[in-house]
Amino acid sequence: NAGVMQNPRHLVRRRGQEARLRCSPMKGHSHVYWYRQLPEEGLKFMVYLQKENIIDESGMPKERFSAEFPKEGPSILRIQQVVRGDSAAYFCASSATPGIEPQHFGDGTRLSIL
Amino acid sequence: RKEVEQDPGPFNVPEGATVAFNCTYSNSASQSFFWYRQDCRKEPKLLMSVYSSGNEDGRFTAQLNRASQYISLLIRDSKLSDSATYLCVVNAGGIERGGADGLTFGKGTHLIIQP
Repeated sequence: NAGVMQNPRHLVRRRGQEARLRCSPMKGHSHVYWYRQLPEEGLKFMVYLQKENIIDESGMPKERFSAEFPKEGPSILRIQQVVRGDSAAYFCASSATPGIEPQHFGDGTRLSIL
Repeated sequence: RKEVEQDPGPFNVPEGATVAFNCTYSNSASQSFFWYRQDCRKEPKLLMSVYSSGNEDGRFTAQLNRASQYISLLIRDSKLSDSATYLCVVNAGGIERGGADGLTFGKGTHLIIQP
C-alpha cells in the first residue's frame, strides 16, 4: 500500500511531555501538509513542507509546535510540553502538485493528553 | 465571513432519494475545489474534484459557480453507505502561488441516509 502512512495511530501523553507524530507521504509525493482536528471542529491547516523546507507554517502555534521534513525519512510534527488542549486528531496529507492535485490523507494520529 | 461555509445539517434523507448541498467560499482567487467525505472522525477521503465545467462520477455530480462563489454536490439514488460528513474544500494556492496555502476545509455537512 503506497498511501500516506502515519504513526502512531494513537498516542497518550501526560501534561508537560513531548509528542512526536510521524508521516510518510505517498510514493512520488514531495509535498506534505499537517492538519489538526479538535473534537467537534473542522480540519485546520497547520503547516506545509517540502523536503528540507518549511513553505508555510501560518497555521501552526508559535510556541511548542515544530515540524520538519528531512531529506531522508518521514515528516515529523513535534509538540513540546503538551497541554490538555493539544488533544486532537492530527492528519497528514501529501500531494504531487500543490494547488492543483488533491491531497491524500493518512489515517491520522489521535493524541490524548492526560 | 467564514472562508468556506457549509450548512452543518444533519440532512436526514430516505434511501433512494436525491440530496444536494452547497458550499460558499469567500476567496475569489480560489483555484481548486474538492469534495471530501469523512466517516466517524476517520481521515478525509477525496470524493471528487470540482471543475469549472462540472464533474460527474456515477451517482455524484459536482458543480462550480465562480460568479456566486459556491460549489454544489448532488447525490442521486442515495445509499445507506453514503451516510457521512461531506467536506467542501477550497485551495486558494493555485500553481502561480505554489499551492502554499494548504487546503481550507468547511466544517462539513452531516448526511444521514435512513432505510
